[in-house]
Parts: sequence; C-alpha cells; structure tokens
Amino acid sequence: KQEVTQIPAALSVPEGENLVLNCSFTDSAIYNLQWFRQDPGKGLTSLLLIQSSQREQTSGRLNASLDKSSGRSTLYIAASQPGDSATYLCAVTLQTGGNEKLTFGTGTRLTIIP
Amino acid sequence: DAMVIQNPRYQVTQFGKPVTLSCSQTLNHNVMYWYQQKSSQAPKLLFHYYDKDFNNEADTPDNFQSRRPNTSFCFLDIRSPGLGDAAMYLCATSTGVSYEQYFGPGTRLTVT
Repeated sequence: KQEVTQIPAALSVPEGENLVLNCSFTDSAIYNLQWFRQDPGKGLTSLLLIQSSQREQTSGRLNASLDKSSGRSTLYIAASQPGDSATYLCAVTLQTGGNEKLTFGTGTRLTIIP
Repeated sequence: DAMVIQNPRYQVTQFGKPVTLSCSQTLNHNVMYWYQQKSSQAPKLLFHYYDKDFNNEADTPDNFQSRRPNTSFCFLDIRSPGLGDAAMYLCATSTGVSYEQYFGPGTRLTVT
C-alpha cells in the first residue's frame, strides 16, 4: 500500500526566506506526483505536476523535484511572501494497471511571518 | 473563470436526513472524482467516474452514492448522514486517471 509522508507537519519562516518542503513515498512505481496548495476551508489548487520521467518542474518562484528511486520529492519556494501561507499537499498517482488514483500526504502547514 | 464548480459551498443537514452535493465542470474532462477530507487529514478518495463507468473505493461506506447524468455534472448522495460524515467534500476532474487533477472549492458539510 502506497504511503505518502510529509515532514514537518508545520513550518514557520520569516518573509523573504527560501524554503523547502519535503514529501516521501513508499512505492516508486508512480505515474506522476502533484503538489497542491490548500487555503483554510478551501479546495485544492494544483501547483506543479511532475511526470515519472521528469526530474523537476518550475513555475514562477516554485520548483519541484522528483527522485523516484529514493521515493522523495521537494517543493522549493523562493523569496517567500505572506501570501504563500497555506497548507501544501503532495500526492502521487500509483501505477496499478487500471485503477490509478491519487494518494495524498497529510500536508505541511506553512506560515510566512511578515 | 470557474472550471470546477461545487454547490452549495456550505451545507447543514440533520442526522439521518438525506443530502445531495453537486459538482459541475466546464473542462469537458472524462474523469470526475469525489473526495472526503476531514479536519487536518489528507483527502480520501470515495469514488470516481471514467465517463459513465463508476469506480467505487473498497472502503467507501454504502451510505455514499454517486450519479453522473452527463459529462458536466456529478452528484454525491449521502443517504443517512451521521455525525462522522461531517467533512469537506471535494470534487475533482481530469482528462484521464493518470493525469493532473483539477479541484473545485469544496462543500463543507455539517451534520447536526
């Protein structure tokens, strides 16, 4: 059974700092990995999708990397801003031969201190 | 422009009173998903439709059912809500089961 872990569960950093969020998964047979942002009481916003054949994806101040062999992904946020405060979730799509689905981590709650 | 729309955003129902949550999409995606997310927990997949093919997760309670009358709409029916069913319900779509998923804003269900 695929398990996705995100550590730490919560993180506070001063505005302007660069930071890294971590995601690990137990089964490396994945189709892709997605990073999402969730604001309190809201739905999920997709940030980046990395296919299993890719090593990284970039969007603005965000950079996500994927190391399938070690079962790890990181989300790098450059020059953090108070508006980046949210919960960040990673999720993997496992190759199961017909019933693929996303398995989520429990998220890292990020607070950027002005 | 809203792409995945959920109505209502907030729903209050009484214990045991049937309730229906609605999801619609303007993306013309083949796949629609329903997730349940309880406080401080990861979203949990309840079921998904690939076109008209319904796929139920093994641990989804029988109390939860779904309908997809056409490509654009999908409904989540909770036949007899219990207090433990209070949660955020998220709808998502994708072009295929292995592709990027797009989420709606969610419906927060309260059971009194």
